[in-house]
Amino acid sequence: GQSLEQPSEVTAVEGAIVQINCTYQTSGFYGLSWYQQHDGGAPTFLSYNALDGLEETGRFSSFLSRSDSYGYLLLQELQMKDSASYFCAVRDILTGGGNKLTFGTGTQLKVEL
Amino acid sequence: AAGVIQSPRHLIKEKRETATLKCYPIPRHDTVYWYQQGPGQDPQFLISFYEKMQSDKGSIPDRFSAQQFSDYHSELNMSSLELGDSALYFCASSPPHGRPDEQYFGPGTRLTVT
Repeated sequence: GQSLEQPSEVTAVEGAIVQINCTYQTSGFYGLSWYQQHDGGAPTFLSYNALDGLEETGRFSSFLSRSDSYGYLLLQELQMKDSASYFCAVRDILTGGGNKLTFGTGTQLKVEL
Repeated sequence: AAGVIQSPRHLIKEKRETATLKCYPIPRHDTVYWYQQGPGQDPQFLISFYEKMQSDKGSIPDRFSAQQFSDYHSELNMSSLELGDSALYFCASSPPHGRPDEQYFGPGTRLTVT
């Protein structure tokens, strides 16, 4: 089975940088992705790492170390609108087609003035 | 751009009743997924369809069933509802040849069982 652990809550001030960690135990690994979810809203894809290293997309970057079964999401120049839950996720390739996502426990990010 | 459409957005049912949730994936997306998210929980995979065929089942109770129709829309049918079924139900879709982990989620249906 798949298991992904994240800190439950992180608080930071506007303009700061914050890192959200994710450690995983998986049977088969095809990459780590990150989703953002505002309260009551839909999860929205942020980034994906298949290989070790850093992927940058604007203010958001994601890092993966497969040897450590570890990844993180880095958010820079924090804005109030970044207050949301952030989930790491791994996928299983379905023999019938498609990819099933297993999400981490989720990290609630609170951005303060 | 078109997004995943789900209906209804909110649904209130009583215990032991039946509910039907509908999902209209983004046009030309070939895979549809259903997830259940309880309060303060992460989304849990229920079931998926690839090209209108069921491709996998997750932690979906036997009281639930789903299907995908010829127009690619999908319906999740839930019978003998229990209080614990109260949750947000998301439908997601993904395109052929897209980024592997990128799924496009609908706005969700909030089901309340009383």
